[in-house]
Amino acid sequence: KQEVTQIPAALSVPEGENLVLNCSFTDSAIYNLQWFRQDPGKGLTSLLLIQSSQREQTSGRLNASLDKSSGRSTLYIAASQPGDSATYLCAVRTGGYNKLIFGAGTRLAVHP
Amino acid sequence: GAVVSQHPSWVICKSGTSVKIECRSLDFQATTMFWYRQFPKQSLMLMATSNEGSKATYEQGVEKDKFLINHASLTLSTLTVTSAHPEDSSFYICSAGRTGMNTEAFFGQGTRLTVV
Repeated sequence: KQEVTQIPAALSVPEGENLVLNCSFTDSAIYNLQWFRQDPGKGLTSLLLIQSSQREQTSGRLNASLDKSSGRSTLYIAASQPGDSATYLCAVRTGGYNKLIFGAGTRLAVHP
Repeated sequence: GAVVSQHPSWVICKSGTSVKIECRSLDFQATTMFWYRQFPKQSLMLMATSNEGSKATYEQGVEKDKFLINHASLTLSTLTVTSAHPEDSSFYICSAGRTGMNTEAFFGQGTRLTVV
């Protein structure tokens, strides 16, 4: 059974810091991995999608890496801003068609 | 990215009544949509997979008679919470993706259900 773990569970940092959020999964047989952002009481916004054959993806200040063999992914946020405050969720697509398994998320607070 | 619209964004209902939540893919056709449930400060748990024109596939522990799913068209799936109870109060989110195994999943805005 696929399990996804995210570390740390919560993070509070001053503005401007570079951050690393970690995601690990137990079964390396994944199709892809997706990082999402969720603001309180809101739906999910897709940040980055990494296919199983890829090593990393970048979008603006965000960079996500994938090491499929070791079951790990990291989300790197450069020069953090208060607007980055949210919960970041990692999910792997595995097994059935488009089925996503989510981690518990990392709650990020960036203070001025 | 693709747009998935969910309605309503919040609803309050009395115990024993039924509530219907709609999930629409606005700019693409989705043969499959997914319904998730999220309790406060917890992650998303897949409830069921909605398949256009056929019965939904429910995850273990999810009551199919309580959570009725209908996927009548390629752009609309509905989740009906029947005979709602306070313990059904939660955040329900749907997702859809374009055809293909390696596609990106897009999510609706979510529906906050409160049963009083």
